[in-house]
Amino acid sequence: QSALTQPASVSGSPGQSITISCTGTSSDVGSYNLVSWYQQHPGKAPKLMIYEGSKRPSGVSNRFSGSKSGNTASLTISGLQAEDEADYYCCSYAGSSTNYVFGTGTKVTVL
Amino acid sequence: EVQLVQSGAEVKKPGESLKISCKGSGYSFTSYWIGWVRQMPGKGLEWMGIIYPGDSDTRYSPSFQGQVTISADKSISTAYLQWSSLKASDTAMYYCVRRPEDGDYFDYWGQGTLVTVSS
Repeated sequence: QSALTQPASVSGSPGQSITISCTGTSSDVGSYNLVSWYQQHPGKAPKLMIYEGSKRPSGVSNRFSGSKSGNTASLTISGLQAEDEADYYCCSYAGSSTNYVFGTGTKVTVL
Repeated sequence: EVQLVQSGAEVKKPGESLKISCKGSGYSFTSYWIGWVRQMPGKGLEWMGIIYPGDSDTRYSPSFQGQVTISADKSISTAYLQWSSLKASDTAMYYCVRRPEDGDYFDYWGQGTLVTVSS
């Protein structure tokens, strides 16, 4: 099972919106609405930001939103802030034999 | 407050065995899955496997099947990840994660355990 494909880096200015893509296959992203997104600051453990494609856990800013189209899921960060600078990973359920597959990760830089 | 507290950093030699732990608190340990995620230095997250402490149902990623063993002791709310013979390529940060019984996402993460394997 190959990792889901994400862009290596995305950047934006404060206040702008950016979108991170996460491309899988019909065996994972395309088959299930079970993509989650995680934020990881340097030296820290990842944090859940979006689950089941578009749901936000309690306490996560509504500036973060998720969507999916076909085999590609997306994370949008609106009103970009300095604190959003981090690595972001998508993850999808991939069936009973593989269970889960993570994305390759995207470094978000706030200019 | 939900917490997953992992055991401390380890330095081992190739060929040695190792068992790291993840203790859950603040919730019903037997009602959630506990998974393990590897992050090699400077690299991304990799799914390793998962266990349901309630009945010890365990699933492994094909990439890690036979390479590690995942177990749990529900009497002390602790999950484990173990190796019988470490390799230098096992050097990584290992995170335990909590997965809701009816959800396919990881809502809580441990702080990570750094395993260094070097001769």
